[in-house]
Amino acid sequence: QQQVKQSPQSLIVQKGGISIINCAYENTAFDYFPWYQQFPGKGPALLIAIRPDVSEKKEGRFTISFNKSAKQFSLHIMDSQPGDSATYFCAASKVTGNQFYFGTGTSLTVIP
Amino acid sequence: DTAVSQTPKYLVTQMGNDKSIKCEQNLGHDTMYWYKQDSKKFLKIMFSYNNKELIINETVPNRFSPKSPDKAHLNLHINSLELGDSAVYFCASSPFGGPNTEAFFGQGTRLTVV
Repeated sequence: QQQVKQSPQSLIVQKGGISIINCAYENTAFDYFPWYQQFPGKGPALLIAIRPDVSEKKEGRFTISFNKSAKQFSLHIMDSQPGDSATYFCAASKVTGNQFYFGTGTSLTVIP
Repeated sequence: DTAVSQTPKYLVTQMGNDKSIKCEQNLGHDTMYWYKQDSKKFLKIMFSYNNKELIINETVPNRFSPKSPDKAHLNLHINSLELGDSAVYFCASSPFGGPNTEAFFGQGTRLTVV
């Protein structure tokens, strides 16, 4: 059973546009929601993360929006750049847990 | 210095062989993981170790055996390799129970079984 559902599977955005990736979860015990970025041939790397006590977190061009009641969270990439082209994974975990549950990934392509 | 290093980066082997992938982390983390990434890029947990003790063993064939000689190392041994084992295997580590549970991933080992 997929603990974290992610959409879309792939996304093509023009340079300068906004990329939006959505995730939903079921387990209300989750209390840590990271986004990972993976370039070809590399391991995933943490991009930005949020805890459920805030509804939004912004770091540079990257913003997580979190809706606790809907059990949804999303990643917004403002002013998308070709260098942002990568696969993005949302994830969820419990701070005291032992594993991360990953979404199925979104392949983002930013065209010049 | 590389935080999580795994070797080898590429591994090509024949069906039926036994192979090992090594992983080391120098972050002082308590928890280490093995994830399998299939051709569709889905990341699936295989094993989780905390302080050398097995915590999670997902539905993985018993041909896969993790070994943690100490807190900084988690190796993966695979017996009788099958075609379906071809994937990228990622080692990762994270603090346990701390305020920041960021996971750090190695660069991956691309296993190809022919």
